[in-house]
Amino acid sequence: GENVEQHPSTLSVQEGDSAVIKCTYSDSASNYFPWYKQELGKRPQLIIDIRSNVGEKKDQRIAVTLNKTAKHFSLHITETQPEDSAVYFCAARATARQLTFGSGTQLTVLP
Amino acid sequence: GAGVSQTPSNKVTEKGKYVELRCDPISGHTALYWYRQSLGQGPEFLIYFQGTGAADDSGLPNDRFFAVRPEGSVSTLKIQRTERGDSAVYLCASSLKALGLAGGAPRGGSSTDTQYFGPGTRLTVL
Repeated sequence: GENVEQHPSTLSVQEGDSAVIKCTYSDSASNYFPWYKQELGKRPQLIIDIRSNVGEKKDQRIAVTLNKTAKHFSLHITETQPEDSAVYFCAARATARQLTFGSGTQLTVLP
Repeated sequence: GAGVSQTPSNKVTEKGKYVELRCDPISGHTALYWYRQSLGQGPEFLIYFQGTGAADDSGLPNDRFFAVRPEGSVSTLKIQRTERGDSAVYLCASSLKALGLAGGAPRGGSSTDTQYFGPGTRLTVL
């Protein structure tokens, strides 16, 4: 089955700096890669996703890049704000419908 | 509109007891997923429904776990003879369809296969 690895597990940045979270996946058939943000005690919320026919996608301060050859994808957050502090999960989906999640990155934006 | 809802929000039970966890998906969503999230980990897939049928139950850890969706809407996850290791947050998600279009949604729009999560049920087995 699919295996997703996520790094780093914790990340602290100064407000206004950029944050980058990286994930690798094992199943070359995976074709959909969403990113979820989860605040403490809350539900995971989709912030951006990318499909395998696209190399990069951007939505305001958030961008995701995908390298199918290397089987890795990354989340980029620019101009970070304290409200960006949360746990971020990457995920991948192959031919099966379920998502396989990474282990999460605790992002802390220091004011 | 209303999002995915789950009840109860918290459930404390004793080892060996039976529990039922309920999920109300977004109205009209045909696909429904159950995940389990342990502390400090990402959600792990349990079972997926397309309509009333369980299309993939490969994530259920053993035969103590069972889920139903009799009318294609509300789903119930059932755990028999609970064990302390079953303690976790049980998340439900739904999507309009199981798979989206290859091109994805227009900018700013959500895809038909976007999975929306409920708030989860925190299960504690003493």
